[in-house]
Amino acid sequence: EAGVVQSPRYKIIEKKQPVAFWCNPISGHNTLYWYLQNLGQGPELLIRYENEEAVDDSQLPKDRFSAERLKGVDSTLKIQPAELGDSAVYLCASSRGLAEAYTDTQYFGPGTRLTVL
Amino acid sequence: GQNIDQPTEMTATEGAIVQINCTYQTSGFNGLFWYQQHAGEAPTFLSYNVLDGLEEKGRFSSFLSRSKGYSYLLLKELQMKDSASYLCAVRDGNYQLIWGAGTKLIIKP
Repeated sequence: EAGVVQSPRYKIIEKKQPVAFWCNPISGHNTLYWYLQNLGQGPELLIRYENEEAVDDSQLPKDRFSAERLKGVDSTLKIQPAELGDSAVYLCASSRGLAEAYTDTQYFGPGTRLTVL
Repeated sequence: GQNIDQPTEMTATEGAIVQINCTYQTSGFNGLFWYQQHAGEAPTFLSYNVLDGLEEKGRFSSFLSRSKGYSYLLLKELQMKDSASYLCAVRDGNYQLIWGAGTKLIIKP
């Protein structure tokens, strides 16, 4: 079974530029998560999708961040414009969903390391 | 507020045993997860506890006491490849996953 796929793996941009990250979850996983992780910290949830619906985006800075999950499969996370403080690793994770599996374990992609100069 | 506490860093010797503790205060409880994260890589799932007691998986075991808001991850026969960060995460009453900051484990020969 293929894992969660993310691209790009690394991205370096100048501040005020836009950037986009792409995620393809594990086949059959209904729930998709975008996290931000700073060095030495645990992941911080940005947004959670159940199929194509964003069910928790309370931590997403909506003035500059946006996300979509068209057709309930792939997802894109965008930042426009990027700020210096956005430098971090952006992780995508997927799970079957609580209706499908009691443990609803999240499986992570390799992440995108963003550096904003 | 919700809180998960883990030691920031631990050091252990190859071949030994180490216990990484996690204490939590959350609004409700629907399971506790342990993940391993090597430097520069994504977290990978290690274990899940929802009932009190010990779950064993090879060299790794995880323990849960819901009444004490406490869990530990026990690693036996430590190998150099076990050098990583270990993240504790609790699913709260709203089924949100609350993450600890992680414990960096350093294995010395």
